[in-house]
Amino acid sequence: AQKVTQAQTEISVVEKEDVTLDCVYETRDTTYYLFWYKQPPSGELVFLIRRNSFDEQNEISGRYSWNFQKSTSSFNFTITASQVVDSAVYFCALRETSGSRLTFGEGTQLTVNP
Amino acid sequence: NAGVTQTPKFQVLKTGQSMTLQCAQDMNHNSMYWYRQDPGMGLRLIYYSASEGTTDKGEVPNGYNVSRLNKREFSLRLESAAPSQTSVYFCASSESGTLKGEQYFGPGTRLTVT
Repeated sequence: AQKVTQAQTEISVVEKEDVTLDCVYETRDTTYYLFWYKQPPSGELVFLIRRNSFDEQNEISGRYSWNFQKSTSSFNFTITASQVVDSAVYFCALRETSGSRLTFGEGTQLTVNP
Repeated sequence: NAGVTQTPKFQVLKTGQSMTLQCAQDMNHNSMYWYRQDPGMGLRLIYYSASEGTTDKGEVPNGYNVSRLNKREFSLRLESAAPSQTSVYFCASSESGTLKGEQYFGPGTRLTVT
């Protein structure tokens, strides 16, 4: 069965600090996709990134970067020079070949203080 | 485009009452989903519809029914609400049932059952 673990329940940083959100997953499939979503205080879920299991290249988008390591089953998310607007709950999710289901981690509450 | 819309935004029910949560998308997506979000548990899939005319159970289907009314609309019904169904409900859609399709989420419905 697939599983996603986000061990950090809450993280608090001061503005301009770098912060890394951890995501570890379990799956028996060789083909799968990993996702990150952001849920700001307003409550909606915003898609951030998708990564397939065959592409281990790191990705950078502005202040956001993602490190996918198949050897450790991890897909970590780093925010560089954090800002107050980054305060949100961040979810990592996994989708296997075998179904339509998207399995979410428990989420990490990130608070960026001014 | 409105994306994914949900009604109502908030609802309070008494135990045993019934209600239907409505969801519509204007992105011409084939697949639609219903999730519930509870503190510390991430999002869990209740039901999904891979395409018009089909529905399947997700991780936590007990106590719910769904109807895929047409390609745009996917409703979730609680026949006899219970306090354990107090949650935030999200509807989502994706382009198809394929592995890589990211899901786009509605704003959520906050349901309280007393």
